[in-house]
Amino acid sequence: NAGVMQNPRHLVRRRGQEARLRCSPMKGHSHVYWYRQLPEEGLKFMVYLQKENIIDESGMPKERFSAEFPKEGPSILRIQQVVRGDSAAYFCASSRPQGKLFFGSGTQLSVL
Amino acid sequence: ELKVEQNPLFLSMQEGKNYTIYCNYSTTSDRLYWYRQDPGKSLESLFVLLSNGAVKQEGRLMASLDTKARLSTLHITAAVHDLSATYFCAVDIGGSRLTFGEGTQLTVNP
Repeated sequence: NAGVMQNPRHLVRRRGQEARLRCSPMKGHSHVYWYRQLPEEGLKFMVYLQKENIIDESGMPKERFSAEFPKEGPSILRIQQVVRGDSAAYFCASSRPQGKLFFGSGTQLSVL
Repeated sequence: ELKVEQNPLFLSMQEGKNYTIYCNYSTTSDRLYWYRQDPGKSLESLFVLLSNGAVKQEGRLMASLDTKARLSTLHITAAVHDLSATYFCAVDIGGSRLTFGEGTQLTVNP
């Protein structure tokens, strides 16, 4: 069992570009969560998805951010027109229904 | 809005000493987690506490939960350098969505 796989590990973008972060959940897990961690802070919930459904996006910024978890393939967190304030570590976690969360290694996004 | 507060936020201690990290939260919850994070790394799950009075121990770490007081503690016994890391508590707000505390950065000095 490979665990929760995130890629890329590091992503550098210039202001105004798009960032696409990928997350493959653990085998058998149907629930995916995205969290953002700013330097020296705890993780902040962004969005909770099941296959082809967004269950809770209450932590997502209203503009430029979107997430999907298609029937086939990884979950994608997409940030359009990135700004410096988007620089953070983005963690994905997966679980079975009502199960324990397992976190990936994260993607460190740096916006120049 | 659920608030989760940890204290202290920074803790420097000597090897061999004992200390406790506190986690207070503002609403009822039936699950509380403790995680460890090393610099630049992901979160490692340490404990899941599911009920009032729950106590779990692993090595030099022991976690407890008092749901009536909305308080969890992480006790460190006879600290060693390898325990240096940032420790987070997180409260389950439903559907396995977690609200994290700010983290306690622990440094254990020789």
